[in-house]
Amino acid sequence: DVKVTQSSRYLVKRTGEKVFLECVQDMDHENMFWYRQDPGLGLRLIYFSYDVKMKEKGDIPEGYSVSREKKERFSLILESASTNQTSMYLCASSPRLMGVDTQYFGPGTRLTVL
Amino acid sequence: GEDVEQSLFLSVREGDSSVINCTYTDSSSTYLYWYKQEPGAGLQLLTYIFSNMDMKQDQRLTVLLNKKDKHLSLRIADTQTGDSAIYFCAENLSNSGGYQKVTFGTGTKLQVIP
Repeated sequence: DVKVTQSSRYLVKRTGEKVFLECVQDMDHENMFWYRQDPGLGLRLIYFSYDVKMKEKGDIPEGYSVSREKKERFSLILESASTNQTSMYLCASSPRLMGVDTQYFGPGTRLTVL
Repeated sequence: GEDVEQSLFLSVREGDSSVINCTYTDSSSTYLYWYKQEPGAGLQLLTYIFSNMDMKQDQRLTVLLNKKDKHLSLRIADTQTGDSAIYFCAENLSNSGGYQKVTFGTGTKLQVIP
């Protein structure tokens, strides 16, 4: 059974704080993704990674950075959290070639920035 | 373009059929997916269809694909209260870097009334 875990289910931070969201997968997947989910906007891709130490910007990378030092772990970093980054953050992983075997999602982290 | 659009909300009575619709703009996608998100959880792949197929049936689920109109639908027969969730359609694309990624729709919240 593929497992994608995220470090926290709920997080409350203050404006200006540095925030780390961690994601770990146990299926030796090459690809990992970070999305944010907002009502009426669906899932929007923030960053993705196709290999260790590789990263690519998604559709909304501004205000975020990522780190992939090990294959199983993909971190999302908010350098200076702002209230408009209050959202549900979802991590996903997939094999390199996505077809039938598509993305597997973690349970999500609901981040509130006060 | 990579816009994937869905209506935001659908309400049906238990036992009726539900039809969730999706339109997409990029005709080069190879796979199209339906994901289900139950409250407080991440997304789970429900079913998929390959782009050269018109229809796929899987127990209570029927997926219809109209490539000419770029229209995808998910029909749930005999809808149950456990089907209440948010349903996302998604397409598998290759971006300009040659990498595959999945673009998600805005999600349709299905409410099943007992």
